[in-house]
Amino acid sequence: DAKTTQPNSMESNEEEPVHLPCNHSTISGTDYIHWYRQLPSQGPEYVIHGLTSNVNNRMASLAIAEDRKSSTLILHRATLRDAAVYYCILRADYGGSQGNLIFGKGTKLSVKP
Amino acid sequence: ETGVTQSPTHLIKTRGQQVTLRCSSQSGHNTVSWYQQALGQGPQFIFQYYREEENGRGNFPPRFSGLQFPNYSSELNVNALELDDSALYLCASSLRDGEDTQYFGPGTRLTVL
Repeated sequence: DAKTTQPNSMESNEEEPVHLPCNHSTISGTDYIHWYRQLPSQGPEYVIHGLTSNVNNRMASLAIAEDRKSSTLILHRATLRDAAVYYCILRADYGGSQGNLIFGKGTKLSVKP
Repeated sequence: ETGVTQSPTHLIKTRGQQVTLRCSSQSGHNTVSWYQQALGQGPQFIFQYYREEENGRGNFPPRFSGLQFPNYSSELNVNALELDDSALYLCASSLRDGEDTQYFGPGTRLTVL
């Protein structure tokens, strides 16, 4: 599985937007970009995923660069509950199922009131 | 719809002992994956079970073994425990429908003394 690079930590103020970057320069054409987050003392939680086009859901937006070598997870208004470790993961598409999740160290997001 | 549950929550064992961890999948899910998360690290993939058969394994020795039952619940067994096996063990269930979003349980914290 291709590797991703994320900053170790980021800080945000409550109710402000947060842009979490991820570099994946060795991404292949069949790799999906997934984001999971892990709140303190909990298991990881799915946030969003995409292949080529930008994606929006109730939790966040995912902006994917045109060359797919980087992506950005956008939290439109950070809340204290969004303080977590955010993982950017590439998953291979095996035509009917996807490869396993290969976690890096992620980005630890702190949200200040 | 119940989420993924794991038992026990915490466990303390001594070196050389054996341990069994349990996971109940989310309703309707046929795939279970197990992960090991050391302190300060991202989860590491151990193995996956699909319809009671092992379907992929990470870089873990054979003393890590598993089972999946007809109701899709699962067990992780670790023999000859070592101090480095101390970690949070996470179970994730998914439905092999192409997207395979994984839903994680809260984990079992294993301490090996």
